[in-house]
Amino acid sequence: DAKTTQPNSMESNEEEPVHLPCNHSTISGTDYIHWYRQLPSQGPEYVIHGLTSNVNNRMASLAIAEDRKSSTLILHRATLRDAAVYYCILRVTRGSQGNLIFGKGTKLSVKP
Amino acid sequence: GAVVSQHPSWVICKSGTSVKIECRSLDFQATTMFWYRQFPKQSLMLMATSNEGSKATYEQGVEKDKFLINHASLTLSTLTVTSAHPEDSSFYICSLGGVTSGGSLTYEQYFGPGTRLTVT
Repeated sequence: DAKTTQPNSMESNEEEPVHLPCNHSTISGTDYIHWYRQLPSQGPEYVIHGLTSNVNNRMASLAIAEDRKSSTLILHRATLRDAAVYYCILRVTRGSQGNLIFGKGTKLSVKP
Repeated sequence: GAVVSQHPSWVICKSGTSVKIECRSLDFQATTMFWYRQFPKQSLMLMATSNEGSKATYEQGVEKDKFLINHASLTLSTLTVTSAHPEDSSFYICSLGGVTSGGSLTYEQYFGPGTRLTVT
């Protein structure tokens, strides 16, 4: 799986939007972009994924650059419960039996 | 989505003893489960891939005789840390692989809540 680059940490104010960037310049045509997050002392949880088009779900939005070399996870209104480490991960297939390769992720802090 | 439980959620043991951690899939059958380890302020590192009915596949640097994995059924995998030492203190997390829904593999991977192991 190709490598991703994320900032180590970001801060946000409560109820403001948060844009978490991810660079993946070596992404291949078959790589899906997945985002997971890990709250303190918990296992990771799935957030969102996409291939080429922007995606929305109840948790977040995913904006994918036209050349697919970068993407941005958007939390529309950050809450204190969104404070977590966010991981951007590339997967070869949309659904796979393979393990996930975690980078260092971005630690998001949310201030009240 | 799939619900994954781990037991115990935390455990303290003395050096030299063995500890068993259970990972259960409560509502899906999983032919494959993964075991990760996470040290403080670090990311998750894959330890091994557990396959139902066969031997686990270990990542490089992970001692298979120290970290015994048994995938006895499609809903249960266990990790036993044998002769634990303080350096084995870590957060152990399992996840389900190959969860199918409607006949196709799902895009989500489902993780357990983790087990905090402290070896004194």
